[in-house]
Amino acid sequence: GQQLNQSPQSMFIQEGEDVSMNCTSSSIFNTWLWYKQDPGEGPVLLIALYKAGELTSNGRLTAQFGITRKDSFLNISASIPSDVGIYFCVGSSNTGKLIFGQGTTLQVKP
Amino acid sequence: KAGVTQTPRYLIKTRGQQVTLSCSPISGHRSVSWYQQTPGQGLQFLFEYFSETQRNKGNFPGRFSGRQFSNSRSEMNVSTLELGDSALYLCASSLAENTGELFFGEGSRLTVL
Repeated sequence: GQQLNQSPQSMFIQEGEDVSMNCTSSSIFNTWLWYKQDPGEGPVLLIALYKAGELTSNGRLTAQFGITRKDSFLNISASIPSDVGIYFCVGSSNTGKLIFGQGTTLQVKP
Repeated sequence: KAGVTQTPRYLIKTRGQQVTLSCSPISGHRSVSWYQQTPGQGLQFLFEYFSETQRNKGNFPGRFSGRQFSNSRSEMNVSTLELGDSALYLCASSLAENTGELFFGEGSRLTVL
């Protein structure tokens, strides 16, 4: 079945550093989405990408839809303590089926 | 605009019991989907409902069931609970079906003893 490989699984960084995470798949997706889950909360949509090659920013966050449609990355610049949480990538196929990555757990040291 | 509301937030059950979880979607959202989240398995899709009809189902045993009411509220039920059913159960609503733009509730944390 379809799978997403999200990496890294976890990151422990210093406040102010930039962060990069990505998702890859052997399958093609029509939409890539990135969610963040704060401790004790449900995931919240950060960025949605609908077109191969698309690069979208949301504040300090930047995400790209890979040109092959099989991958996506998320960058966070100048990390702050409230960036702590689990980041999920989600791929949506042409049937509307959603595939979730395993998540990247981010910890930020002040 | 109120968000997605899940009840109860926390509950403890024993093996063999059954449990019903409730989800009220954002007003106007007709699609509701359910996910199981565990530390080892991440987010696993359970099922999706749209206009009271189950549209998609994940790979879970028949002990897991759900339904959606005419007001779009949804419930999921797990019968004959097992220890491995301990998890955070998340509900998400969306305006349309087959969209990745989901609005999640805070979840119902189930502990099975």
